[in-house]
Amino acid sequence: QARLVESGGGVVQSGRSLRLSCAASGFTLSTYTVYWVRQAPGKGLEWVTVMSYYGNKTYYADSVKGRFTISRDNSKNTLQMEMNSLRDEDTAVYYCARESTWGAFDMWGQGTKVTVSS
Amino acid sequence: QSVLTQPPSASGTPGQRVTISCSGSSSNVGSNNVNWYQQVPGTAPKLLIYWNSHRPSGVPDRFSGSKSGTSASLAISGLQSEDEADYYCAAWDDTLDGRVVFGGGTKVTVL
Repeated sequence: QARLVESGGGVVQSGRSLRLSCAASGFTLSTYTVYWVRQAPGKGLEWVTVMSYYGNKTYYADSVKGRFTISRDNSKNTLQMEMNSLRDEDTAVYYCARESTWGAFDMWGQGTKVTVSS
Repeated sequence: QSVLTQPPSASGTPGQRVTISCSGSSSNVGSNNVNWYQQVPGTAPKLLIYWNSHRPSGVPDRFSGSKSGTSASLAISGLQSEDEADYYCAAWDDTLDGRVVFGGGTKVTVL
C-alpha cells in the first residue's frame, strides 16, 4: 500500500540544524510534486516548501527561505529537508504530502515533531 | 493570520447539517480550485474534498463542497460523532509561486 513516512524530528537548540526525511513506498516519489507542510502547536497548517516532480523547481515560504533546503534522493525514493539556523517559531509537526493529479494533497505522512528550544 | 478565512468553530447535534465557510480573494479561491482536509486531533490531515466538490474514494457522501466566486463551503449532512475534527480549506494562490494557502481551520464539535 502506498504511503509516506517521515523521520528525523526531535529536540534541538535554537540556531542548530536538523534534517528531516520522508520515505515513500508503493509509488515513485520523483513522479510527483511533493511538499513539506508544518503545524505549530495548537495552530493551523502552513506550507513550508515544495519540489516539483522531477525536481526542476523548488519554492520556499518566506519564513524559511535561506534556512531550509528541500532535496530528493531518487535512488532511495525519499524526500529530505535540511533545516538550518532553527528558531523557536520553527517548532511544529512537519508533514510531507504528495500532490495528486487533482492538485490536492491526496497522501500525507504521519508527521514528525520538531521542537526548538532556546 | 491565514490567507483564507474560516470560522474558528462550528457545532451541531447528531444528524444535523453543519456548514463551514472559506473566504478568499480573486487570486486564490476566485481563480483556483478549493480542497478540504479533515484532521482528527493527533493525526495527519486527510483529503476530504478536491476540485471544490469532488469526494475521493472512501469519503462518505454526507460531505459535500461548493464554491461561488471568492468563497467556498463544506457541508456535513447527518452529522456523526466521528466527524468531530478540524477542517481546513486550501487553494493555490496565483500571486505566490508554488504556494498553497490554507484557512485557519474550523473545529467541528458534535454536541
